[in-house]
Amino acid sequence: DSGVTQTPKHLITATGQRVTLRCSPRSGDLSVYWYQQSLDQGLQFLIQYYNGEERAKGNILERFSAQQFPDLHSELNLSSLELGDSALYFCASSVGRGLIDTQYFGPGTRLTVL
Amino acid sequence: DAKTTQPNSMESNEEEPVHLPCNHSTISGTDYIHWYRQLPSQGPEYVIHGLTSNVNNRMASLAIAEDRKSSTLILHRATLRDAAVYYCIPLKSSGDKLTFGTGTRLAVRP
Repeated sequence: DSGVTQTPKHLITATGQRVTLRCSPRSGDLSVYWYQQSLDQGLQFLIQYYNGEERAKGNILERFSAQQFPDLHSELNLSSLELGDSALYFCASSVGRGLIDTQYFGPGTRLTVL
Repeated sequence: DAKTTQPNSMESNEEEPVHLPCNHSTISGTDYIHWYRQLPSQGPEYVIHGLTSNVNNRMASLAIAEDRKSSTLILHRATLRDAAVYYCIPLKSSGDKLTFGTGTRLAVRP
């Protein structure tokens, strides 16, 4: 158990809909990262937040957005969902702001878009 | 960004040592070499990292070539629980994002 929690575990929705994925980092960790893992694209970095501020951006679509709240939990919002958004979404956390810090991953949220 | 080359898959017998190679010939002098693994149906898990000299921890050892163009992750006694995809990831010391390639899928035979 990494100490990172993600909810929900599974999510099934329809095209065009909007969903919110939630992540709680390990106690004491200030950075939260979001990743997408699909069969054809592998594991891809989406975005990082450090202590409430956006720190780094990866291959995140404009339809996706994230935020980190004062209690350090984070939410990833996915809107206008397409079939291709079906994937595993992982959240990770680390102590510091540096992307080089060891990251601890949650169990993931499996999103299925029908 | 430094590119990595890893074998797509490897097999090992339980309780035998496993050497997982990674070629990173374009690595720069200040890039750290990180290894993560992903067990089936789980998120990735940090294994080990190093810069120049060999490193050991409770999970594995990391042997880095003198020219730093390659490294080898060593599992001293493979267990069934070590069956996973192993990713070798160079990271700039100034800050970099984790870029997971295709990794090596390790199968462990009982």
